[in-house]
Amino acid sequence: QKEVEQDPGPLSVPEGAIVSLNCTYSNSAFQYFMWYRQYSRKGPELLMYTYSSGNKEDGRFTAQVDKSSKYISLFIRDSQPSDSATYLCAMRAGAGANNLFFGTGTRLTVIP
Amino acid sequence: GAVVSQHPSRVICKSGTSVKIECRSLDFQATTMFWYRQFPKQSLMLMATSNEGSKATYEQGVEKDKFLINHASLTLSTLTVTSAHPEDSSFYICSAQTPSGTPDTQYFGPGTRLTVL
Repeated sequence: QKEVEQDPGPLSVPEGAIVSLNCTYSNSAFQYFMWYRQYSRKGPELLMYTYSSGNKEDGRFTAQVDKSSKYISLFIRDSQPSDSATYLCAMRAGAGANNLFFGTGTRLTVIP
Repeated sequence: GAVVSQHPSRVICKSGTSVKIECRSLDFQATTMFWYRQFPKQSLMLMATSNEGSKATYEQGVEKDKFLINHASLTLSTLTVTSAHPEDSSFYICSAQTPSGTPDTQYFGPGTRLTVL
């Protein structure tokens, strides 16, 4: 079983739609939960991260973590064509643990 | 945000040759640098972790004699793929981390696409 599971998509939505991206994981030691955006031929760019369970909002983006279900989500409101990219979830254990475990990434296309 | 560069961005080489990839943190000092590999439609997988001035720590299944890592300074790490073979063709990405260690202080380079003929 993979440490982190993520539906690779692809996912196509019309401009203005709400996008929901999800990951599940198996390692209960994970405490940091990240979402990265990766454009073609570029490295991942951190969108936001959450420590432990709960929600975090940043503009049109909301990250949710449910540690009891080992399930994390990223919601994008009022999606824009510029949001078209691959979104990767990543996780790591607590202090002193640097190794990030990535999902495969979900390819999102927002159609104008 | 901080910038991490990689050079070259793309390299094509013949089987059996060695390829060196550079990773630089341009505007900060990185105590730790990481090397990842990403095969098509697969996750980024950590290959090794390197700290300036010390030997790299390799993940299970990664051959340290094949993937040589040198972290000579706080702003430069190099990955050398020795005697490259077609199965080494992949997207190699480095990341650099500042001493604080929180996720928002780990910055990724743009990646190097290696194709071995």
